[in-house]
Amino acid sequence: QKEVEQNSGPLSVPEGAIASLNCTYSDRVSQSFFWYRQYSGKSPELIMSIYSNGDKEDGRFTAQLNKASQYVSLLIRDSQPSDSATYLCAVNKVDSSYKLIFGSGTRLLVRP
Amino acid sequence: EAGVVQSPRYKIIEKKQPVAFWCNPISGHNTLYWYRQNLGQGPELLIRYENEEAVDDSQLPKDRFSAERLKGVDSTLKIQPAELGDSAVYLCASTLDWGKKDTQYFGPGTRLTVL
Repeated sequence: QKEVEQNSGPLSVPEGAIASLNCTYSDRVSQSFFWYRQYSGKSPELIMSIYSNGDKEDGRFTAQLNKASQYVSLLIRDSQPSDSATYLCAVNKVDSSYKLIFGSGTRLLVRP
Repeated sequence: EAGVVQSPRYKIIEKKQPVAFWCNPISGHNTLYWYRQNLGQGPELLIRYENEEAVDDSQLPKDRFSAERLKGVDSTLKIQPAELGDSAVYLCASTLDWGKKDTQYFGPGTRLTVL
């Protein structure tokens, strides 16, 4: 079992729709959760971080965390073609290293 | 403020040849990371530096990979000799100080192709 799992996609949504991206993790005591966006041929860019159960909103993005169920999700409202990218979920491993464990990413395609 | 700088952006070499990648983190960032990202996968940590000290190199294949950060600023990652399976994007990232909530800023990466 991978430590951080994501559906590889592609997830295809029409422009203006809500895109929902999901991620599950195996380490129950993980404390910090991040969503990175990566355009093709580019480096990852942090778009959201979340540390507590519940929702966190930032513009068109909402991150949701449920530690009991060990999942974190990202909602993108009013999806735009420019949102088309791979979205990487990352979890901070709780040990002396505090290193980020990344999922393989979900490719999102927003159709005009 | 300049971001994380990496060079070269692309490198093509034949197997068994050596190769080196260079990274200059954001000014003032004490923590530096080297990641490897294979096609279709997320980045995987190779090594983390706190200033000039390598505090986590458990994922670094030490038989062929080496890294240094002599003055606690820029860093070099070396592979010698390179193998076909080393083809990947090598990403450098930095944070102001390591900790569970600090944002990691990534450089543009070096795409390595081993023929």
